[in-house]
Amino acid sequence: ETGVTQTPRHLVMGMTNKKSLKCEQHLGHNAMYWYKQSAKKPLELMFVYNFKEQTENNSVPSRFSPECPNSSHLFLHLHTLQPEDSALYLCASSQGTGGTGGANVLTFGAGSRLTVL
Amino acid sequence: GDSVTQMEGPVTLSEEACLTINCTYTATGYPSLFWYVQYPGEGLQLLLKATKADDKGSNKGFEATYRKETTSFHLEKGSVQVSDSAVYFCALSGDYKLSFGAGTTVTVRA
Repeated sequence: ETGVTQTPRHLVMGMTNKKSLKCEQHLGHNAMYWYKQSAKKPLELMFVYNFKEQTENNSVPSRFSPECPNSSHLFLHLHTLQPEDSALYLCASSQGTGGTGGANVLTFGAGSRLTVL
Repeated sequence: GDSVTQMEGPVTLSEEACLTINCTYTATGYPSLFWYVQYPGEGLQLLLKATKADDKGSNKGFEATYRKETTSFHLEKGSVQVSDSAVYFCALSGDYKLSFGAGTTVTVRA
C-alpha cells in the first residue's frame, strides 16, 4: 500500500462506547496529524506528532486520546463521545513540521466518518 | 496569528466556464501557500503550491500566483470540467503549522 491509510472508513458508536481510529502512512514521513472536518466549519487541527512526540494539542477534549507508537502509525482513541463529535476525522502526514516550503506539505488519508448516537 | 480567508461557496458553474476562488491571508514572515482539493468521499490532496512571492503554482489546468502586495493567492482555471467538482481549500504554512480556509464547494454542471 502507498500513501496514508485510515481505518475504519465509517464508524457508528454510542456515547458510552470506546473505539479507536487507526492511521498508517507508508511515505517515510516523520510527522503525523489528526484533523476534524465538520460540515460548514473550517478544518480543525487536533494533534500533531513529530518523531513520535506530541508537539501540538489544540485544546482537544480529553475524550479524544491520541497515540503514536512510531512514525508510521497514529491512533485516535475515542471514549464517552458526544453527538457533536460526529464528523470526518482526517489523518495526514508530512516529511517534517519545521519551516516553509516542501517539508510540511501534507498527505491526507481518506478519512474516518464518525457518527455518535 | 496566521489565518486564511477564502470566498464562501457554494459555486455552481457550467462546463467550460472560468473559475476563480479568492483567497487572502494574514501572516507574519514569509509563509508558503497552498491549494488543496477534496473530491467526494476522499481526503484532501495537494493541488498546487507557491513558496515565495511572485511564484506561480500550477496543476491540472489550475493556477495561483503568490501576491505579497495584496496578500492573496487566488485560484483560477480557464475552462472547468465536471470532474473539477470538489471542495477547494486555501492553506498557509507559517512557522510549522498549516492553517486552512473554510473551503469552497464547486459544482460543475454538464
